[in-house]
Amino acid sequence: QVRLLESGGGLVRPGGSLRLSCATSGFIFTDYYIGWIRQAPGRGLEWISYISSGGGTIYFADSVKGRFTISRDYATNSVFLQMNDLRVDDTAVYYCAKDFSLDRGGYPGRALDIWGQGAKVIVSA
Amino acid sequence: QSVLTQPPSVSAAPGQKVTISCSGGNSDIGNNYVSWYQHLPGAAPKLLIYDDYKRPSGIPDRFSGSKSGTSATLDITGLLIGDEGDYYCGTWDSSLSGGFLFGGGTKLTVL
Repeated sequence: QVRLLESGGGLVRPGGSLRLSCATSGFIFTDYYIGWIRQAPGRGLEWISYISSGGGTIYFADSVKGRFTISRDYATNSVFLQMNDLRVDDTAVYYCAKDFSLDRGGYPGRALDIWGQGAKVIVSA
Repeated sequence: QSVLTQPPSVSAAPGQKVTISCSGGNSDIGNNYVSWYQHLPGAAPKLLIYDDYKRPSGIPDRFSGSKSGTSATLDITGLLIGDEGDYYCGTWDSSLSGGFLFGGGTKLTVL
């Protein structure tokens, strides 16, 4: 069974940092893009980042570019979202999700087929 | 503000049908597959439709998708109380920087 599980959420002050983890299982980790998506309170879903199967291709939304980084670890089949210079409007539930298609070098985004349960991040003074 | 435009809300009675629209442009819906997601309170988002109209295994045929040009549609027939929640369209953005786009979301109320 394909599973993704986020961890690392919490309360952080504006300007601070937090690292989210996404532990995966049940599929060939080296074959798929993994994405991060967030939902701020009262708002809709917002895609924020994608990392390719090999880690060499990365996309970020403009809202987090330059502040967030994404990486993956093949020993633990995990993806990480390092969030720096956090702002109040980064407060959200953060989800990781598996891309639908095998990564054959093209673009991701055909669909996000399996999602984790989410990790809550609160940025507040 | 989302590049993909959805109606903020739709409503219908149990057993009825609703249609949720998703409007975009040539660099997104017009040239990429559309997917649809159901987000029920307290749950993770769930993929309902991929490749414009295909259903993952386990998704009932009450949910159907279609696309024409730069617009897509999700139809839900035989509405159940348990269908109440938020629905999002999504697609890849083929413009300069790339990225995945979600619509603003549509809240479905089953009266």
